[in-house]
Amino acid sequence: EADIYQTPRYLVIGTGKKITLECSQTMGHDKMYWYQQDPGMELHLIHYSYGVNSTEKGDLSSESTVSRIRTEHFPLTLESARPSHTSQYLCASSSRAGMNTEAFFGQGTRLTVV
Amino acid sequence: GQQVMQIPQYQHVQEGEDFTTYCNSSTTLSNIQWYKQRPGGHPVFLIQLVKSGEVKKQKRLTFQFGEAKKNSSLHITATQTTDVGTYFCAVNSGGSNYKLTFGKGTLLTVNP
Repeated sequence: EADIYQTPRYLVIGTGKKITLECSQTMGHDKMYWYQQDPGMELHLIHYSYGVNSTEKGDLSSESTVSRIRTEHFPLTLESARPSHTSQYLCASSSRAGMNTEAFFGQGTRLTVV
Repeated sequence: GQQVMQIPQYQHVQEGEDFTTYCNSSTTLSNIQWYKQRPGGHPVFLIQLVKSGEVKKQKRLTFQFGEAKKNSSLHITATQTTDVGTYFCAVNSGGSNYKLTFGKGTLLTVNP
């Protein structure tokens, strides 16, 4: 069982609201990722981090922002939610040590913006 | 960034038939990983391939990495209903290989 947690699991929120999706891992992993995935579709990398105070944008442009103030915590924020943000958001982490780069995923947050 | 093309997008088989999904890259890969995502679930790591020509087996699953390290395949022998899900390949890229990007996945459905 991977020690990576996402909250909330489900969120329904109104347009224009500010939201933060939480992701925490207790494995001491340096690398963390956020993916956006619509049901049955591909995983789009939207943000990643390789350590504290390092964040990079992924391949899919996103209006969300992330921060990495602590190794174990990688929250994702949307300043003003819109219906187009409705999707599942998956957080993952992996070790930077050696070649062991297996990624562990959280359960995901299903976001619906109405 | 690093792009991998994964085919087919969908595959429907009768239980007991074999299944194969392929990932192809235009550039040489340092390694490739495979994940499985059950319907309604999150991706779960299956295996990582690193060496040219590497072949690894996990029960009915066989993973191959091409000699040129530009392609990989996952083959399932005698599928079972428990094999249903989406199979993704994933590659590390970026200056220090910190990015992890996924292929589009192959959705496998199995008719009992």
